[in-house]
Amino acid sequence: EAQVTQNPRYLITVTGKKLTVTCSQNMNHEYMSWYRQDPGLGLRQIYYSMNVEVTDKGDVPEGYKVSRKEKRNFPLILESPSPNQTSLYFCASSLYGQWSSGNTIYFGEGSWLTVV
Amino acid sequence: AQKITQTQPGMFVQEKEAVTLDCTYDTSDQSYGLFWYKQPSSGEMIFLIYQGSYDEQNATEGRYSLNFQKARKSANLVISASQLGDSAMYFCAMREPNSGGYQKVTFGTGTKLQVIP
Repeated sequence: EAQVTQNPRYLITVTGKKLTVTCSQNMNHEYMSWYRQDPGLGLRQIYYSMNVEVTDKGDVPEGYKVSRKEKRNFPLILESPSPNQTSLYFCASSLYGQWSSGNTIYFGEGSWLTVV
Repeated sequence: AQKITQTQPGMFVQEKEAVTLDCTYDTSDQSYGLFWYKQPSSGEMIFLIYQGSYDEQNATEGRYSLNFQKARKSANLVISASQLGDSAMYFCAMREPNSGGYQKVTFGTGTKLQVIP
């Protein structure tokens, strides 16, 4: 089954404790990205990756890191989480990194993160 | 300027009635794509419908149709014969090329739809 898998789905952590949210897709997609969703703000892009070893900042990258060492994995790293990073996080992927209008975007199930 | 604007934070609709969720977009590109996603209370993002900027016909998928008015830069979602299971948050999104030729995807702030029995 084609899917994007995120872990953990739910996490409560403390300020400053490094954490990683993993994302894996089994569709051989070039493009992967991370979003955060906050009430009234919709989904905002944190980072995206066009292919292995190629990443770039989205609209809200501060406080986050990513890496893309393998095509299927795109982990999101919070080096020193703060309460303002409490949010619902989505990983997404699509087949092409290059522009292609009909490229369907597949989402993971979301990760609810609370930083206290 | 907002790339994607959804002006209706919340809407109610009677079961079995049709409802239109508004979405306007802002781009200077000729090539772009517009998407609608549904997010139920469980949180997952469900793809509903897609419209390409060069598509001449409005997209339809079952009870969902996209009313695409290019000159007005609007891409409204129409849900016919609403069902209780349609109660959810709905997001409009646009994909366009960025300066490097890669894709840039922007989401609106969403509309929360409540279907009343």
